[in-house]
Amino acid sequence: GAGVSQTPSNKVTEKGKYVELRCDPISGHTALYWYRQSLGQGPEFLIYFQGTGAADDSGLPNDRFFAVRPEGSVSTLKIQRTERGDSAVYLCASSSTGTGATEAFFGQGTRLTVV
Amino acid sequence: SQKIEQNSEALNIQEGKTATLTCNYTNYSPAYLQWYRQDPGRGPVFLLLIRENEKEKRKERLKVTFDTTLKQSLFHITASQPADSATYLCALPFSGSARQLTFGSGTQLTVLP
Repeated sequence: GAGVSQTPSNKVTEKGKYVELRCDPISGHTALYWYRQSLGQGPEFLIYFQGTGAADDSGLPNDRFFAVRPEGSVSTLKIQRTERGDSAVYLCASSSTGTGATEAFFGQGTRLTVV
Repeated sequence: SQKIEQNSEALNIQEGKTATLTCNYTNYSPAYLQWYRQDPGRGPVFLLLIRENEKEKRKERLKVTFDTTLKQSLFHITASQPADSATYLCALPFSGSARQLTFGSGTQLTVLP
């Protein structure tokens, strides 16, 4: 596609429920990142994929968070037993390489609200 | 631990003036630094990357400097326009993993007509 696409744009869920957030990266980009952004803050790193494997998941806050990228393209961020503190904008980014010193293209984000 | 500070949460300037935004970092010597622009409800958009061996980089009305001694980057927008109003974020590779970008909290710039 033309850019990174994230669905849904907005998600409201009840505390304790399970949610999935989807990211479609730019075609051909091998590196994919998930970030979380709270109001008034910069994006906070969650996880990085190079191809199908999670090369760095050190930013995941706890074991309720999990992400997959089974075919090296689309990725899904999964959050179990959601808590109100999980409310934030979840951003996905992709880049052509995983070196870091490469332009990262961000999606518009998914705004998650846990009530 | 690694820390990034961006000057003031908000900066208001008059149209036509030069906006200067500051990014300071501590406890780290990054190989490069990136600047992004973020509009409300949108994801960050990459603007410029400057490497540690580059003192200055320009792109149209944008100029970035990188002083590794002061541990500071300055981001300038010359001849500012109301359309430049946005939040500007600086980002550094995380010291523990070059694949992670650590972002500052951003500076919200408003260019007044």
